[in-house]
Amino acid sequence: DIQMTQSPSTLSASVGDRVTITCRASQSISSGLAWYQQRPGKAPKFLIYKASNLESGVPSNFSGSGSGTDFTLTISSLQPDDFATYYCQQYNTYPLTFGGGTKVEIK
Amino acid sequence: EVQLVESGGGLIQPGGSLRLSCAGSGLTVKNNYMSWVRQAPGKGLEWVSAIYSGGSTYYADSVKGRFSISRDNAKNTLSLQMNGLRAEDTAMYYCARLYSSSSRWFDSWGQGTLVTVSS
Repeated sequence: DIQMTQSPSTLSASVGDRVTITCRASQSISSGLAWYQQRPGKAPKFLIYKASNLESGVPSNFSGSGSGTDFTLTISSLQPDDFATYYCQQYNTYPLTFGGGTKVEIK
Repeated sequence: EVQLVESGGGLIQPGGSLRLSCAGSGLTVKNNYMSWVRQAPGKGLEWVSAIYSGGSTYYADSVKGRFSISRDNAKNTLSLQMNGLRAEDTAMYYCARLYSSSSRWFDSWGQGTLVTVSS
């Protein structure tokens, strides 16, 4: 199975900050990576596919990059709605696997 | 707009069985690639099972042989039959649509149904 490791597990930031979340795969997954946002008590929301492609309707302050084993999710200017937990997911091979999550909290 | 609504969760004793359902609207379940993802309380996301439009099924090792994914085409629903339930199966279970057979990201999610396995 491909293991997905996210860092940090928790990130404290302020509105307006630029934040970067890292996701590392245990083996190459090419660009087979997606990102999700999950607010407390809610279902995950799909954000990014193929490592860097924004889903329709996702604000442009979100961006993704990377390929192979190393990926990043960047929020260029943190907004109040962005305080949430973020998960990466590899879809290159079964079983589909998620990172452990990064909680972005208010500093 | 795609909507997925799960039901069937509840409190069940270890070793028991439960059947979850996911009603789809705005999509035809049988023509899509559908999946179940779960989240234990306070934990991360774990993929459970998938079924393709052609009928192929896939399972996580943790549920293989105990869980079975299926569709009811007449009712436009997705189901997850869970047998031999264990305490570690306690989780919120989400129904989700996979974009395609090769682009296996989850582009639509239901609100989830909670399964608690406890005596």
